[in-house]
Parts: sequence; structure tokens; C-alpha cells
Amino acid sequence: DAGITQSPRHKVTETGTPVTLRCHQTENHRYMYWYRQDPGHGLRLIHYSYGVKDTDKGEVSDGYSVSRSKTEDFLLTLESATSSQTSVYFCATSDRANQETQYFGPGTRLLVL
Amino acid sequence: AQSVTQPDIHITVSEGASLELRCNYSYGATPYLFWYVQSPGQGLQLLLKYFSGDTLVQGIKGFEAEFKRSQSSFNLRKPSVHWSDAAEYFCAVGAHGSSNTGKLIFGQGTTLQVKP
Repeated sequence: DAGITQSPRHKVTETGTPVTLRCHQTENHRYMYWYRQDPGHGLRLIHYSYGVKDTDKGEVSDGYSVSRSKTEDFLLTLESATSSQTSVYFCATSDRANQETQYFGPGTRLLVL
Repeated sequence: AQSVTQPDIHITVSEGASLELRCNYSYGATPYLFWYVQSPGQGLQLLLKYFSGDTLVQGIKGFEAEFKRSQSSFNLRKPSVHWSDAAEYFCAVGAHGSSNTGKLIFGQGTTLQVKP
């Protein structure tokens, strides 16, 4: 399995505060993805990166921003957390785009009060 | 637009019984198709994938899936379920094309419960 870690693994925060989640990989994969998982919705793509400093929006990007300054790290920031952003967040990586398996991290459980 | 539908939210089978989890996709061309499994509190693990060629795909843990273009389906099967197969299963579709960046669209998931 790809070496993907996420931090923190659990977080409780208050509405209106900024939150940053970190994804770290040791596989030197080019592509990285942030998903959120909610009951009844499966996983939905928030943002993705196709290289250092190259990022783009997914289907549920409102209220989120990302940064990737190094190959191994992909940060997801909630600028001003809302209760609707309570979710489980997964990071994934892949070596290539098409035909390539995505490897998932263990997830971060975020509760916004 | 691409979409994936898993019609069964929750399925219960007896240990040793056969299993079929349904997945239907909507996509204008030949898709890439994946099945992932998620054990409680864990990330997702790839079971199998289809890109081209033989429409019957073998995966890990004794799972297989069959791509049926005429039915836009990619159903997951296992002949004999083990208690350790209890988990949530996700079907996902990806797109061909040079502009694609590996984005996947996931279905809503099917939770499998295994009765002793």
C-alpha cells in the first residue's frame, strides 16, 4: 500500500474558525485528491492536484481551498468552517491519471460545532 | 455527465452464501470502472478495476466483477461470503481522455452485513 498519512485524524472545531487538514505521501505520486464522505453521497471530490502548485476544483469545492508546495504534501483548508462541513475527509494519491489506482489515506473525521 | 448508481444501500447475506452488488453507470464512452471496499474506520482499498479487454475481472479476496456495456453495469460478485467481508463497498467510474486527471465519480455505497 502507498504510504499516505493524514493529520489530524480527528478534530472538533467551532463554526467560523479556519481548519487545515494535511495529507502526506511517501510514494512520490504526482496526483493527489481530497474527498469528503457523507452518508448517502459516497465520496465526492473537493479538489485535486496534478503536480506541485497545480490544483483544480472538484464537484464540491465551495468553502475549501488547497495548496501543494511539495510533491509529498497536499493541504486542505476550510477558510471558515460551517456545520455542513462536518464530514470524513479522505486524501488519495495516484501515480498517473488514467487507468491508475487511487490509494487512500485513513481519513480525518471533522466535527464542526 | 458521469454518474454512478448503487441501487442497494444495505444488503444482508448469510455467511457462505453468494453475493452480488449492483453498480450502474452513466457515461458517454467506455469508462474506467473500479470497486473499492471500506472496512469500518478505515480508508478505501481497491478490490478490482476494469479498463479494457476481458469483461470479467478478477480481484482480491475472491471477488470478481463483470462489465456489461449493453446494461451499463459493473456488478461485483463473490461465490461464498465470509464474515470478514462485512464492509461498505463503493463502485466508481473514471473517464478516458488526455485531459482527464484521474478524477473518479463514486456511487453512494452499499453496506454489506454478513449473518453467521
